[in-house]
Amino acid sequence: SQTIHQWPATLVQPVGSPLSLECTVEGTSNPNLYWYRQAAGRGLQLLFYSVGIGQISSEVPQNLSASRPQDRQFILSSKKLLLSDSGFYLCAWNPPGMGSDTQYFGPGTRLTVL
Amino acid sequence: GENVEQHPSTLSVQEGDSAVIKCTYSDSASNYFPWYKQELGKGPQLIIDIRSNVGEKKDQRIAVTLNKTAKHFSLHITETQPEDSAVYFCAASRGNGGFKTIFGAGTRLFVKA
Repeated sequence: SQTIHQWPATLVQPVGSPLSLECTVEGTSNPNLYWYRQAAGRGLQLLFYSVGIGQISSEVPQNLSASRPQDRQFILSSKKLLLSDSGFYLCAWNPPGMGSDTQYFGPGTRLTVL
Repeated sequence: GENVEQHPSTLSVQEGDSAVIKCTYSDSASNYFPWYKQELGKGPQLIIDIRSNVGEKKDQRIAVTLNKTAKHFSLHITETQPEDSAVYFCAASRGNGGFKTIFGAGTRLFVKA
């Protein structure tokens, strides 16, 4: 069966510090991968998605970047965090190909920027 | 741009009562409609989904109905229990790999014991 992992689970960082969040998927090959941000009490904002190694599409221009160094690894980064980067970051995946729309979410990373 | 509107934003019901959450979508090309349940501090979990060639789908206490003409779909939870308390998200997708799945803003459901 497929599983998705995210770490760390919780992170507190000062303004201006760098960020690296990691997401890995097990039990599948060539998944589509997604990064979402969820502000407190709010909906899901799509940040990035990837259909393959090195292929990243950005949905919202901002202080963050994403990379996919391996087939089942997706990384969210920032060089300098802002207060507004605080939130709950969710990684998701779905099988490749047409008709495979169901996205499966990881447990999330709670980021607090102080 | 395309969007999904979800109502109500908050819903409070007594244990044993039914709960209904409604969503309206704007993209007429949407053909896949999943529903997710998110418990506090966790990632959303898929609870039920429906495709456009079906008008209704049921799984035990939960059911989803779809009206493609009116472009709206609803989640029905019967015999609610305290553990149903969570945030529920609807979503709509074109069936082209999930890249443009549009999520509703969420409904916070409280089930009072």
